Amino acid sequence: RKEVEQDPGPFNVPEGATVAFNCTYSNSASQSFFWYRQDCRKEPKLLMSVYSSGNEDGRFTAQLNRASQYISLLIRDSKLSDSATYLCVVNPDTGNQFYFGTGTSLTVIP
Amino acid sequence: DAGVTQSPTHLIKTRGQQVTLRCSPKSGHDTVSWYQQALGQGPQFIFQYYEEEERQRGNFPDRFSGHQFPNYSSELNVNALLLGDSALYLCASSLGGKHQPQHFGDGTRLSIL
Repeated sequence: RKEVEQDPGPFNVPEGATVAFNCTYSNSASQSFFWYRQDCRKEPKLLMSVYSSGNEDGRFTAQLNRASQYISLLIRDSKLSDSATYLCVVNPDTGNQFYFGTGTSLTVIP
Repeated sequence: DAGVTQSPTHLIKTRGQQVTLRCSPKSGHDTVSWYQQALGQGPQFIFQYYEEEERQRGNFPDRFSGHQFPNYSSELNVNALLLGDSALYLCASSLGGKHQPQHFGDGTRLSIL
């Protein structure tokens, strides 16, 4: 079983829509969680860390559900510039490596 | 404040050759991790260096080796290149302990002919 699983999409949504991505992880001892954004042929960029209590940054909200072992990312009022691949990242407590999902592709349509 | 820098940007090699990729971490960061990203996949962890030692290694063969220098910069070496080594190689830096977010360089795109 993969450490991190994401629905690859693609998600095609109109401008202004709300879209949500989920990601499941297999290691219940995982302690750190992140969402990264990756534009085509570019490097991943940190979008936000995910905290146990959930956290919000502008139009972006991240949630963690430890009982069900998943994290989510909600994007409200989608902009054209939100079009990218969103990578879910998990850092187990037992090691230093980051486990990445395969990414979810989002295209925001005018 | 310089971010993570990698060189070269692109590289073309043939099977059996050897390659060295270089990375300078973000200012203030002391930990460097290397990842391989194949097309359509998420980055896969190769190894991490801290205090000039390999701290953890992913599921990659011994053909992949690395080094960290006293100034925290790092190199990734790959010997006996295979066609399957064609990928984007990403360097990420972070500060010290576990659970810190990692910041990525632009990557080196390696093509094996």
